Amino acid sequence: ILNVEQSPQSLHVQEGDSTNFTCSFPSSNFYALHWYRWETAKSPEALFVMTLNGDEKKKGRISATLNTKEGYSYLYIKGSQPEDSATYLCAFNAGNNRKLIWGLGTSLAVNP
Amino acid sequence: DGGITQSPKYLFRKEGQNVTLSCEQNLNHDAMYWYRQDPGQGLRLIYYSQIVNDFQKGDIAEGYSVSREKKESFPLTVTSAQKNPTAFYLCASKPGGSYNEQFFGPGTRLTVL
Repeated sequence: ILNVEQSPQSLHVQEGDSTNFTCSFPSSNFYALHWYRWETAKSPEALFVMTLNGDEKKKGRISATLNTKEGYSYLYIKGSQPEDSATYLCAFNAGNNRKLIWGLGTSLAVNP
Repeated sequence: DGGITQSPKYLFRKEGQNVTLSCEQNLNHDAMYWYRQDPGQGLRLIYYSQIVNDFQKGDIAEGYSVSREKKESFPLTVTSAQKNPTAFYLCASKPGGSYNEQFFGPGTRLTVL
């Protein structure tokens, strides 16, 4: 059974703090790792699709790294802002299977 | 204004009735997906379709049916055989290509009374 785990489950930080979350996935048969942001009352939006070991991707203050050999990805947010408050989901794509296996997400609340 | 639409946002049905959830996309995407979200669980795949007139069961297909007669439409029918139909349902689409991200609709919250 393929399992994707995210930690922590929830996080409260102050505006301006930097933070990071972890996504753990099976290290065998890796194909791709997706990160999505899901704000309340909106649709999930893709942040990154990562495919190569050692990948680092960045979008504004948000960045992500990928280690496929040990099966983890980190998502970093630098200088958190209230608008960063959302649930951050990761999803694992095994082999050439078109299906994504989703984690439960990390719920981030940024206090002004 | 491209995107994915799901309607309605909230849906109430009596137990034993079939109900069809709409999903339409004008992004010209080949693949479409239906997910279900329940409290404390990750998104679970119900059905997906890579191309018109073809679809595959996901991880929790029992009690659901779909059709893909047009590229832009992928309706999901929740049948009376689905034992716990009350949930939040998300539709997504994806352009061709293995590494592309999925684009999501706003979701439909179905409550079966």
